Amino acid sequence: GAVVSQHPSRVICKSGTSVKIECRSLDFQATTMFWYRQFPKQSLMLMATSNEGSKATYEQGVEKDKFLINHASLTLSTLTVTSAHPEDSSFYICSGGDVETQYFGPGTRLLVL
Amino acid sequence: AQSVTQLGSHVSVSEGALVLLRCNYSSSVPPYLFWYVQYPNQGLQLLLKYTSAATLVKGINGFEAEFKKSETSFHLTKPSAHMSDAAEYFCAVSEGGNEKLTFGTGTRLTIIP
Repeated sequence: GAVVSQHPSRVICKSGTSVKIECRSLDFQATTMFWYRQFPKQSLMLMATSNEGSKATYEQGVEKDKFLINHASLTLSTLTVTSAHPEDSSFYICSGGDVETQYFGPGTRLLVL
Repeated sequence: AQSVTQLGSHVSVSEGALVLLRCNYSSSVPPYLFWYVQYPNQGLQLLLKYTSAATLVKGINGFEAEFKKSETSFHLTKPSAHMSDAAEYFCAVSEGGNEKLTFGTGTRLTIIP
């Protein structure tokens, strides 16, 4: 199957700082990628749909000014958590796919102190 | 709108016993259905998928699932559980392969030696 990578795998930051997470499709081109958030022992919740060359589409309740998404190329989407607070601590997972399947990155664990 | 219900947040089976994880879905369009497995602190790995072809789908690691439209179900089974099957399992639905996924709440599978 296709491979999606994420960087960093784990990040710890201070409250009020910004953190950028990269999501790359290594062996396929992804015009669309998705960003999910997973809290401990819970399911994945879609945050936003990242569209190459255009604005991201955010799910209801997700602050677009706080979670900035950029999809500048067919293999890279980035999620920037701006002015992070402890409640933003979570596991962030991206995915990209083809006409039949979504492939997931290994996830980024964010801890905001 | 689409939704997924996974019955049983925790399932325990003995090693060598049948594994049955239940998933029911709701969709206004012909669904694409997926089972993913997640090991601790990792991303999601695709086990199998249904994309309107054969109703009995075989996946990796000996898992299979059957799409039953009349029951709106897509239950996951494995004839004989292995210790390595212990993980979190998520059922998901989408309107297409490159569409956003809606996840169930997950089922934690424990294997009893």
